[in-house]
Amino acid sequence: DGGITQSPKYLFRKEGQNVTLSCEQNLNHDAMYWYRQDPGQGLRLIYYSQIVNDFQKGDIAEGYSVSREKKESFPLTVTSAQKNPTAFYLCASSTPPSYGYTFGSGTRLTVV
Amino acid sequence: SQQGEEDPQALSIQEGENATMNCSYKTSINNLQWYRQNSGRGLVHLILIRSNEREKHSGRLRVTLDTSKKSSSLLITASRAADTASYFCATDSDRGSTLGRLYFGRGTQLTVWP
Repeated sequence: DGGITQSPKYLFRKEGQNVTLSCEQNLNHDAMYWYRQDPGQGLRLIYYSQIVNDFQKGDIAEGYSVSREKKESFPLTVTSAQKNPTAFYLCASSTPPSYGYTFGSGTRLTVV
Repeated sequence: SQQGEEDPQALSIQEGENATMNCSYKTSINNLQWYRQNSGRGLVHLILIRSNEREKHSGRLRVTLDTSKKSSSLLITASRAADTASYFCATDSDRGSTLGRLYFGRGTQLTVWP
């Protein structure tokens, strides 16, 4: 079945550590997105990519980095520069741009 | 910000009743979408309505769009306990430089009691 897979489901980060969240899709979608969701909040865009080897900053890109080397994959790295990384992270894909998004099931990141 | 805002923030109803959620936005759009999120899960796309459409139906869902008022409503008829979830509206932008991204509101938390 086609879909979008996020891993791991739960992730714990120590202070000063970088961690990478995986997002893989087999929907042949061109565009991929990373959102952050805090309790009781809407989704805030971190980064998005409309084609391979190209990506744009969203509204809260500081402390995060991404790569888009393959159409299927859009990993997100939460760096030590992100001071408040505890949140629920959602990856999504779509095609063509602005059509309905398909979301992954999310990764819950906690700082310990 | 172009972010949509849902109203009310929370809605509690009995099974069988209708649930209505509203969304307002600020700038011109190409389309408006509604999503559902069960607790701790990803969002699921429910329905998309284009700027030249006024009403759209999908099963028990009815969406309206009023571009002159920059507002939309989502009606769920004959609600069931399984409809309990958060509902988000999302808008795109008709500005070329931001084509492809969606702007999400904070959501309406719907609780349907058996």
